[in-house]
Amino acid sequence: NAGVTQTPKFRVLKTGQSMTLLCAQDMNHEYMYWYRQDPGMGLRLIHYSVGEGTTAKGEVPDGYNVSRSTTEDFPLRLLSAAPSQTSVYFCATVGGPGELFFGEGSRLTVL
Amino acid sequence: GENVEQHPSTLSVQEGDSAVIKCTYSDSASNYFPWYKQELGKGPQLIIDIRSNVGEKKDQRIAVTLNKTAKHFSLHITETQPEDSAVYFCAAKNGIGKLIFGQGTTLQVKP
Repeated sequence: NAGVTQTPKFRVLKTGQSMTLLCAQDMNHEYMYWYRQDPGMGLRLIHYSVGEGTTAKGEVPDGYNVSRSTTEDFPLRLLSAAPSQTSVYFCATVGGPGELFFGEGSRLTVL
Repeated sequence: GENVEQHPSTLSVQEGDSAVIKCTYSDSASNYFPWYKQELGKGPQLIIDIRSNVGEKKDQRIAVTLNKTAKHFSLHITETQPEDSAVYFCAAKNGIGKLIFGQGTTLQVKP
């Protein structure tokens, strides 16, 4: 029972390239989230989903797309990477009442 | 806008001493206050939480206190151990169910 699995763990991109961060959960929960973590700024919500076929914007959605075609998967797409998107990205689902259960993160560097 | 302020940003204590991390929130309708611990290279993990109908909650060496009038809450770790070294995040769930994170505190426990 892995919980939340994120791939890749590390990636370096050039400005303008596109990529997809993958997130898969085996906790069978409806809600899934994408956060980014930057020094001194805590965790900021990018996009989230309350169930298959639904997505919604968080605090910092610009430059990112998401989709939710299955309960298990919630990929995050960067269509044209920018240096400002250098960050550590965390996917999460709900583990218990009110509890977020996070993956181990994906560290992205955009040159 | 809604925000959660967390202090200090870094904290260094000797093993066996106590550590206190403080957070303030702006939305008076906030009703759920979790604390997360993030070890190096890992995702944040829930360690304790408190709801707005409770003033204090304790779990072994960690405790959280909540002052709704002043809109602040604190994490207390007693008898600190080297394995307590990590980044700690507070968060507050606001009146519309959004979880807002503080900026994080890096705790170093010196042996």
